[in-house]
Amino acid sequence: AQSVTQLDSHVSVSEGTPVLLRCNYSSSYSPSLFWYVQHPNKGLQLLLKYTSAATLVKGINGFEAEFKKSETSFHLTKPSAHMSDAAEYFCVVSDRDDYKLSFGAGTTVTVRA
Amino acid sequence: DVKVTQSSRYLVKRTGEKVFLECVQDMDHENMFWYRQDPGLGLRLIYFSYDVKMKEKGDIPEGYSVSREKKERFSLILESASTNQTSMYLCASSLEGEKLFFGSGTQLSVL
Repeated sequence: AQSVTQLDSHVSVSEGTPVLLRCNYSSSYSPSLFWYVQHPNKGLQLLLKYTSAATLVKGINGFEAEFKKSETSFHLTKPSAHMSDAAEYFCVVSDRDDYKLSFGAGTTVTVRA
Repeated sequence: DVKVTQSSRYLVKRTGEKVFLECVQDMDHENMFWYRQDPGLGLRLIYFSYDVKMKEKGDIPEGYSVSREKKERFSLILESASTNQTSMYLCASSLEGEKLFFGSGTQLSVL
């Protein structure tokens, strides 16, 4: 069975500064890993996905994530935060041969002007 | 674009009522999922289905059942609603290993 731990429930950054959202996972098999974003009163949207190709994955809106097997981590970063990045972010893991996806508890990002 | 449609955006029910939440997707996806979303807990999987008439329990199936009689429709049933089932319910669909497409959610309040 797989699980995900998002290490920060809230992250606050200033506009223009880097964003780091931390995610650790456990998985019995080679995992697929995802980051989703949910803006206020909007549906969830896929930011990026890792499925065993390059360990550095680029997503939409300037976000990227690095898969580190030795650390069982899949942290999400963005070099320069924008006000529109204020949202809730979810790290998600799926075992390769499993239909089930497990969500982390979420990290709320606030961006200060 | 894939569309996942949930029948109600807001629903208010009384304790003990039987509640049906309906979800329809229009892209012929094999997999369909029901999650509930609660503050500080993220999304928790209730049930999922990988084919017509097939269902698997997720992490929190107690108090819920599901039905998938047709590929495009996946229903969540609360046999006897309780106040602790007040939550946002999200339906999603996907092809195997691909991204989830979410509906806009149903905010259920059980009084």
